[in-house]
Amino acid sequence: EPEVTQTPSHQVTQMGQEVILRCVPISNHLYFYWYRQILGQKVEFLVSFYNNEISEKSEIFDDQFSVERPDGSNFTLKIRSTKLEDSAMYFCASSVRRGGLSTDTQYFGPGTRLTVL
Amino acid sequence: GIQVEQSPPDLILQEGANSTLRCNFSDSVNNLQWFHQNPWGQLINLFYIPSGTKQNGRLSATTVATERYSLLYISSSQTTDSGVYFCAVEGGNKLVFGAGTILRVKS
Repeated sequence: EPEVTQTPSHQVTQMGQEVILRCVPISNHLYFYWYRQILGQKVEFLVSFYNNEISEKSEIFDDQFSVERPDGSNFTLKIRSTKLEDSAMYFCASSVRRGGLSTDTQYFGPGTRLTVL
Repeated sequence: GIQVEQSPPDLILQEGANSTLRCNFSDSVNNLQWFHQNPWGQLINLFYIPSGTKQNGRLSATTVATERYSLLYISSSQTTDSGVYFCAVEGGNKLVFGAGTILRVKS
C-alpha cells in the first residue's frame, strides 16, 4: 500500500539555524499538508498546498515558515530561524481530494521529530 | 472555527474489556477520521467515516452527522491497543484534531 514518507525521522538543531523537513506524498495525491504536535498536545494544522500554491495556513505558519514542491515528488517545510518553541513532531499528509465539495482521507507520514537546543 | 471534543480524556482497561470513545464536533463536516497514535508517535489511520458505520476487526466506528458526534468502539482490547486515539474533522482545507483519549490496556 502506498505511504507518505518523511525524512529525517529525527532532527536536532541549534536555535537560529535553518531546517528543511522533507516529505514524499503518495504519488497520485493532489493536496499536501503539514501539521505539528508539540509533546503531549494535540495535532495542529500548519499549512495546506495545492497546485503549487498555499491554499490555507494557520496563524502558526508565520514568515519563518515556507513550503515548496521542488520537483514532482518532494514536498518540503522550511523553518528559517528555529526557536525553542519550534520543537515538535512535524507530520506531512496528503490526499487525493476529488474536487468540489468532496473530501478524501488524509494519509499521514511517520513524522519528523525536531528538537531545537 | 470548528471545535472538536473527545471523551473520556483517559481510560484504563483490563485486557479483554470493551470500550467506547466519543467525539463531538461543533459544525457539520464532510470528513471525519479516527487515528491511533502509537508509542513511537506515528498516526495510524483507523477510519474515514463522515457518516454511517464501519468495522475493521475488533474496531468499529459510527458517525451520526446530524447530531454531530462519532463513536469508536474497541472490543476485546489488547495491550497493543494502548496509545492515544484522536478524532479529526475537516474544517476548510484542514483537519481539526481533538485533544485525544489516552488508552492504557493492562495485561
